[in-house]
Amino acid sequence: GQQLNQSPQSMFIQEGEDVSMNCTSSSIFNTWLWYKQDPGEGPVLLIALYKAGELTSNGRLTAQFGITRKDSFLNISASIPSDVGIYFCATLDYGGSQGNLIFGKGTKLSVKP
Amino acid sequence: DSGVTQTPKHLITATGQRVTLRCSPRSGDLSVYWYQQSLDQGLQFLIQYYNGEERAKGNILERFSAQQFPDLHSELNLSSLELGDSALYFCASSVGLILLTDTQYFGPGTRLTVL
Repeated sequence: GQQLNQSPQSMFIQEGEDVSMNCTSSSIFNTWLWYKQDPGEGPVLLIALYKAGELTSNGRLTAQFGITRKDSFLNISASIPSDVGIYFCATLDYGGSQGNLIFGKGTKLSVKP
Repeated sequence: DSGVTQTPKHLITATGQRVTLRCSPRSGDLSVYWYQQSLDQGLQFLIQYYNGEERAKGNILERFSAQQFPDLHSELNLSSLELGDSALYFCASSVGLILLTDTQYFGPGTRLTVL
């Protein structure tokens, strides 16, 4: 099946630092989504991207839909302790299953105050 | 709060048993999706229902089944449970009309432990 490769797997950063993570695939997709999962909770949608080259912000978060349509990037500026969690990239699988999400394995973010 | 509710929050059972997980979608959402999250496999799509009918199937075992009722709530049935079925099970819902921009909202999950 389709695979999304997320990196890095985990990050340990100091409060106030900027964070970058990415997601790549060997396949082309028309949608890129970024979710955040807090411990004990379900994933929450942060940003949705629908066009190649699109750059979208949500507060301190900025995500980009890669020009090749095979990758996406998420940046978090001036990190704060509540940014801790697991960040997942996801996309829509239009193959055998109409519209279900496929997820990367996640980037676990830890922030030191 | 996503508006999607799942019960129970935790479930502990023994191998060979059968359990039912319940999900209520957000008001107005017609699509319900079930996902399994385990440490080794990550988040995996299981099955989708739209307005009572099965719409898509993912990596769902034959021992698992689901249904969506006329009031749009959904149940995921897991039978002949094995140790490897221990995982977090998430339900998500969406309006279900336009696939490309159809945002899925996730519930808080049910943590299943099979002993």
